[in-house]
Amino acid sequence: LAKTTQPISMDSYEGQEVNITCSHNNIATNDYITWYQQFPSQGPRFIIQGYKTKVTNEVASLFIPADRKSSTLSLPRVSLSDTAVYYCLVGDKNSGNTPLVFGKGTRLSVIA
Amino acid sequence: GAVVSQHPSRVICKSGTSVKIECRSLDFQATTMFWYRQFPKQSLMLMATSNEGSKATYEQGVEKDKFLINHASLTLSTLTVTSAHPEDSSFYICSARDPSRTRIYNEQFFGPGTRLTVL
Repeated sequence: LAKTTQPISMDSYEGQEVNITCSHNNIATNDYITWYQQFPSQGPRFIIQGYKTKVTNEVASLFIPADRKSSTLSLPRVSLSDTAVYYCLVGDKNSGNTPLVFGKGTRLSVIA
Repeated sequence: GAVVSQHPSRVICKSGTSVKIECRSLDFQATTMFWYRQFPKQSLMLMATSNEGSKATYEQGVEKDKFLINHASLTLSTLTVTSAHPEDSSFYICSARDPSRTRIYNEQFFGPGTRLTVL
């Protein structure tokens, strides 16, 4: 299982774009990258998943360079409600229904 | 779709008593559910894998006789904290995967969590 490293915390003002980078130097060929978001006193929820290049959905964008040793979650124009912990996870796409292994995550605080 | 619920959302109990937490998949069937524990300002830690119709698989360091897991149906798993002590106070979260959703690899749906406080 590839280990992930993220900043412990980040602060941002409302309306700014926030980029959270995750390092996963030992990522394997079959590994995909997934980000989850957890609000205080709630269970995590899926944000975005990618394998390479760029993925965009209604919530965020995920940028993955060619070597896939890192990935960047981009949140456009954050609001106070984006204050949460963001987890980067790396997992084998052939692993099936297996538990997710969470690292320490990045605690994002959005300030008015 | 793909909603996981937990009950109760919070519970306070006296030391030495047992507490049961329910995890339900509301609109899908889950042969496997996962139980996590989260202490304040920390990440989620996997406690056990709950398998429908068979024994749960516990992570190293998690006492199976203290944290009893029963997965009696395809939509319900229960975690019973037996003889609870203050150090068991934590946020307990379950997750499950909807097998009909295949676009995202191993997408897990999490319950809202149960906050247990043992006095």
